[in-house]
Amino acid sequence: DTEVTQTPKHLVMGMTNKKSLKCEQHMGHRAMYWYKQKAKKPPELMFVYSYEKLSINESVPSRFSPECPNSSLLNLHLHALQPEDSALYLCASSRPDGNTEAFFGQGTRLTVV
Amino acid sequence: KNQVEQSPQSLIILEGKNCTLQCNYTVSPFSNLRWYKQDTGRGPVSLTIMTFSENTKSNGRYTATLDADTKQSSLHITASQLSDSASYICVVTLNTGFQKLVFGTGTRLLVSP
Repeated sequence: DTEVTQTPKHLVMGMTNKKSLKCEQHMGHRAMYWYKQKAKKPPELMFVYSYEKLSINESVPSRFSPECPNSSLLNLHLHALQPEDSALYLCASSRPDGNTEAFFGQGTRLTVV
Repeated sequence: KNQVEQSPQSLIILEGKNCTLQCNYTVSPFSNLRWYKQDTGRGPVSLTIMTFSENTKSNGRYTATLDADTKQSSLHITASQLSDSASYICVVTLNTGFQKLVFGTGTRLLVSP
């Protein structure tokens, strides 16, 4: 199983809503990542978890709150988002060392209205 | 500054033809270089991954080359198919002990019948 599963595939939320994005993998990977991708742009790293601990926060606004409840799951909690936060949110996982494959999920298309 | 530049930005070719995409990078410390294919609105899918010591890597009709001295890579697509229409992203991994990916801006390929 080389799959990273993200749910939901699409999400529309208002600026006062609270929602969560979910990511799951069963490859035994101990590094998991959240990326944000705007149209026609490369993915931008948001957060890295290594061994279930937050290793990198790329100065992401606090309205995005990551959580890694166990080695297979990664969540991204959303609150009070802005329309400019609308994007494709990608989850990825890998072994923690640098020379191995990183697998991406299919993404969640988020629209903030 | 760590950068990955790709050319051309976009490319249209006829079905059945070959094409070559270019990638130049200034990333240090270098761990490996990857090529990903990304369909619009979907997550990236890995095509090849090459470490410092590898010059070429093939995956079906895709062949990637790496010249670590000149910091250049190419992705050659043979006998293109309509399904090859996508963005192709060159990604360099920093050797930081875990995977920090530096993404290129991508080449948008359209294969025309």
